[in-house]
Amino acid sequence: EPEVTQTPSHQVTQMGQEVILRCVPISNHLYFYWYRQILGQKVEFLVSFYNNEISEKSEIFDDQFSVERPDGSNFTLKIRSTKLEDSAMYFCASKLGRSTSGAEQFFGPGTRLTVL
Amino acid sequence: SQELEQSPQSLIVQEGKNLTINCTSSKTLYGLYWYKQKYGEGLIFLMMLQKGGEEKSHEKITAKLDEKKQQSSLHITASQPSHAGIYLCGAVSGGYQKVTFGIGTKLQVIP
Repeated sequence: EPEVTQTPSHQVTQMGQEVILRCVPISNHLYFYWYRQILGQKVEFLVSFYNNEISEKSEIFDDQFSVERPDGSNFTLKIRSTKLEDSAMYFCASKLGRSTSGAEQFFGPGTRLTVL
Repeated sequence: SQELEQSPQSLIVQEGKNLTINCTSSKTLYGLYWYKQKYGEGLIFLMMLQKGGEEKSHEKITAKLDEKKQQSSLHITASQPSHAGIYLCGAVSGGYQKVTFGIGTKLQVIP
């Protein structure tokens, strides 16, 4: 069964360093998302990506964050200069389309980011 | 912005018992997801509901979206230890259908 994959599963970094979180969405999906979950809190939307551009972003997704789909299969989230409060589980998600039959949004297993 | 309240926040049941988790939205629901999460792990898709009155089942789990589309319930019949985890409801919104999540309901099933 197709699934969303994410690497690495756990990333430890020093404050101020850049990190890139990688995702491989389900192959025929067209809509891509990043969410994050700080320990013990809600899963929060960060950004959606469609047709090679950002379609919507939250207030959390400031200039320190960027997303890219460099090669038609990978979908990356970059944090330029990490802060302690960026420590969280980051989830990638994808879905086929917007119609009823393709609306299910599937999540990856997450990357746990720890900023020291 | 849309807010989702889940109740109860925590639930402990004896194996074999039935249980219900509720999700109430501050706005009309145009799509409602149910996911299951093991602590510190990814989200497993359970069901998506879109129409008022819609009900879906998967194995022993049934979810329903009420007619007014502001509340959904998730019912587990004859609970098993494998049902333990955190159940999240998520509301679809916006043109690109981001999901806004509730805080989750933590379910423990005692053998």
